[in-house]
Amino acid sequence: SQKIEQNSEALNIQEGKTATLTCNYTNYSPAYLQWYRQDPGRGPVFLLLIRENEKEKRKERLKVTFDTTLKQSLFHITASQPADSATYLCALEEAAGNKLTFGGGTRVLVKP
Amino acid sequence: GAVVSQHPSRVICKSGTSVKIECRSLDFQATTMFWYRQFPKQSLMLMATSNEGSKATYEQGVEKDKFLINHASLTLSTLTVTSAHPEDSSFYICSAPGAGETQYFGPGTRLLVL
Repeated sequence: SQKIEQNSEALNIQEGKTATLTCNYTNYSPAYLQWYRQDPGRGPVFLLLIRENEKEKRKERLKVTFDTTLKQSLFHITASQPADSATYLCALEEAAGNKLTFGGGTRVLVKP
Repeated sequence: GAVVSQHPSRVICKSGTSVKIECRSLDFQATTMFWYRQFPKQSLMLMATSNEGSKATYEQGVEKDKFLINHASLTLSTLTVTSAHPEDSSFYICSAPGAGETQYFGPGTRLLVL
């Protein structure tokens, strides 16, 4: 069966440290993998997209890696700040413009 | 960036009534929009794909007669929860594809059925 797995346990991290989140999938062939941020009671906000032929993508303090052999993406928040506290969702898209399938999300709490 | 709005943001209704939720793309056109549902502490689950000018496509297990979708124009899709029951209480979120492969999500609508 198809699965997208993210660590369901909350990640508590000290301000200034790097937070690393994982997204593992099985029985998918994603053309794109996306990461979103969701705050309580709000809709997801797009952060980064990485294509199947890309290994790494960066945007400011964020970095995403994509290993299609391991079927895994890692999401890094460097120099984390309390404002980074939120739930982070990975989502797979098997073709452009198609529907997204979301993982369960990982809650990150950055402590000052 | 592109903006998607939803209305209302919150709604409380009695069991058995119908509730309409609107999703609008404010500064771009969307021939396709997606409707998701999110229960507490769970992820987003796609309910259906709304297609302008044609019928919506529903995911397996989603009752099309209960969740009516109308894509009235290139900037508006509506989801009507008919004969709502307490188990329909959830957070309903729409999205629309933007330029490239990204999607823009609305702020969500919290539905509480008493």
